[in-house]
Amino acid sequence: DIQMTQSPSTLSASVGDRVTITCRASQSISSWLAWFQQKPGKAPKLLIYEASTLESGVPLRFSGSGSGTEFTLTISSLQPDDFATYYCQQYNTYITFGQGTKLEIK
Amino acid sequence: QITLKESGLTLVKPTQTLTLTCTFSGFSLRTSGVGVGWIRQPPGKALEWLALIYWNDDKIYTPSLRTKITITKDTPRNRVVLTMTNLDPVDTATYFCAHIRQYYDRFSGDYVPLVDYWGQGTLVTVSS
Repeated sequence: DIQMTQSPSTLSASVGDRVTITCRASQSISSWLAWFQQKPGKAPKLLIYEASTLESGVPLRFSGSGSGTEFTLTISSLQPDDFATYYCQQYNTYITFGQGTKLEIK
Repeated sequence: QITLKESGLTLVKPTQTLTLTCTFSGFSLRTSGVGVGWIRQPPGKALEWLALIYWNDDKIYTPSLRTKITITKDTPRNRVVLTMTNLDPVDTATYFCAHIRQYYDRFSGDYVPLVDYWGQGTLVTVSS
């Protein structure tokens, strides 16, 4: 099985900050990586797929990069609506999710 | 507009069988490249993919639960059903169904599944 490891597990930041979340795959997944945002009691929302492609309707402050085993999600200027939990997910071989990164207000 | 909604029993006893139905609109499982998957999330924990079924009836299961779950589709009624046997309290979770679109990986020659639209989820509690 492909394991996905996110870091950090928790991130404290302020509105306007630039933040980066990292995701590592236990083996190469090419660019078959997606990022999701989840708020309490809600379903996850797709933000980015194929490592760097922004899903339609997602604000441009979100961006993704990476390939192989190392990936990042960057939010260029945090907005109040961005405080949530973020998951990476590989879909190269079956589907596996990272353990999540909780982005909280500092 | 793609929408999905999960339904089924919300309280199940250990060893019983759970049947969950995903009813969707805005797409059809007659369309090439489309699928529906199931993902669960125990309270306060991470997401775990369970199974998916494609338009052509190809089915893929997470290896660790392969003998415990079955996924089927009812194309005319726009439904996908997940059956999980021999439930245990560790199966307590919110169960989501989701729309899947296939992408072709030209390097491997395989198709890969992107999960995009999700249902709202249904909390299933396994307890005696």
